[in-house]
Amino acid sequence: AQSVTQLGSHVSVSEGALVLLRCNYSSSVPPYLFWYVQYPNQGLQLLLKYTSAATLVKGINGFEAEFKKSETSSHLTKPSAHMSDAAEYFCAVINEKLTFGTGTRLTIIP
Amino acid sequence: DVKVTQSSRYLVKRTGEKVFLECVQDMDHENMFWYRQDPGLGLRLIYFSYDVKMKEKGDIPEGYSVSREKKERFSLILESASTNQTSMYLCASSFLPTNEKLFFGSGTQLSVL
Repeated sequence: AQSVTQLGSHVSVSEGALVLLRCNYSSSVPPYLFWYVQYPNQGLQLLLKYTSAATLVKGINGFEAEFKKSETSSHLTKPSAHMSDAAEYFCAVINEKLTFGTGTRLTIIP
Repeated sequence: DVKVTQSSRYLVKRTGEKVFLECVQDMDHENMFWYRQDPGLGLRLIYFSYDVKMKEKGDIPEGYSVSREKKERFSLILESASTNQTSMYLCASSFLPTNEKLFFGSGTQLSVL
């Protein structure tokens, strides 16, 4: 069965610092990969979607994701963190079925 | 603006009660899903439906059932609530059957006492 692992259940960064969130998946075939964000007291919303067409994808709110096929991983980044980025971030992979990672809660330190 | 609406934000029930969680979407989506979200476990799929009156079990269907009488409405039923069903329940819908882009409701936090 496919597994999706997000490295670090909690990540804290200072306002203005680089945000880097990591996701590993087990599929040997490049899947569709998604990053979702969940703001407090809200449902999840799609941040970006990756297919195999490119190695870097831009999403909403200044986020972008790099896809590393050889490492079966994805890195979600934002150059400069803002207080409003505080949320939980989920990686999800489709390979026959959609599987979510366990999430990373991002805290922004003023 | 697209919308998935879950009828209750917070719900408190007693063990053994029958519980209905309602979800309505206004996007004319064929596909609807129920997930539960628990700390450290992420989102786990309970049931999904690709058409009216159609349902399929997800990864953790035990203790749950669903109903889809109309395209826009997908209900999750806990036949006899138990304390281990205390969780955040998220409803989602999608246009594509491969559920590539899911639209989520804001969730129902269910506490079973």
